[in-house]
Amino acid sequence: AQSVAQPEDQVNVAEGNPLTVKCTYSVSGNPYLFWYVQYPNRGLQFLLKYITGDNLVKGSYGFEAEFNKSQTSFHLKKPSALVSDSALYFCAVRPGGGRRALTFGSGTRLQVQP
Amino acid sequence: GAVVSQHPSWVICKSGTSVKIECRSLDFQATTMFWYRQFPKQSLMLMATSNEGSKATYEQGVEKDKFLINHASLTLSTLTVTSAHPEDSSFYICSPTGTGGNEQYFGPGTRLTVT
Repeated sequence: AQSVAQPEDQVNVAEGNPLTVKCTYSVSGNPYLFWYVQYPNRGLQFLLKYITGDNLVKGSYGFEAEFNKSQTSFHLKKPSALVSDSALYFCAVRPGGGRRALTFGSGTRLQVQP
Repeated sequence: GAVVSQHPSWVICKSGTSVKIECRSLDFQATTMFWYRQFPKQSLMLMATSNEGSKATYEQGVEKDKFLINHASLTLSTLTVTSAHPEDSSFYICSPTGTGGNEQYFGPGTRLTVT
């Protein structure tokens, strides 16, 4: 069975500073990896995904993530944080393609201070 | 991205009553539907998987007689919470998937509060 770990419940960063939200995974076979953001009382918004190809994936709103197979990590990054980035971030994994459900991490709350 | 709608977005019901949540994929055919539940300040947990025209498959610990899932068409799936209890209060999110399976879409969610 697959699993996702987000070791930090909360990440605090000052506006304008770079941010990193950590994610490690465990899955059989080639992983499909996703990052989503959730604002209060809202659904999930897709940020980016890795399926194959370049290890550095660029996504929405200036976010990017780096797939590291040897460390089984898929950390989310942004060069310069905005206050509006404050939200709950979820990493998710799926074992390959096809119609399969995602397994989500526990979520990391990002707080960007002005 | 694909457009997915859920109705209602927020519902309050009394204990013992039933609530139906609709999930519609507005611009693609959802051959598979995943239903997730999210308790406050927690992650999304898969409740069940349904394929169009087939019975749903429920995850361990999810009562199939309590959470009735209907996936009768490629654009509509419903989740009915029967005989609701306060502990069923949660955020329910549908996730339709098309035939390709590579894209993972999510509905905006339904907040259920059982009093």
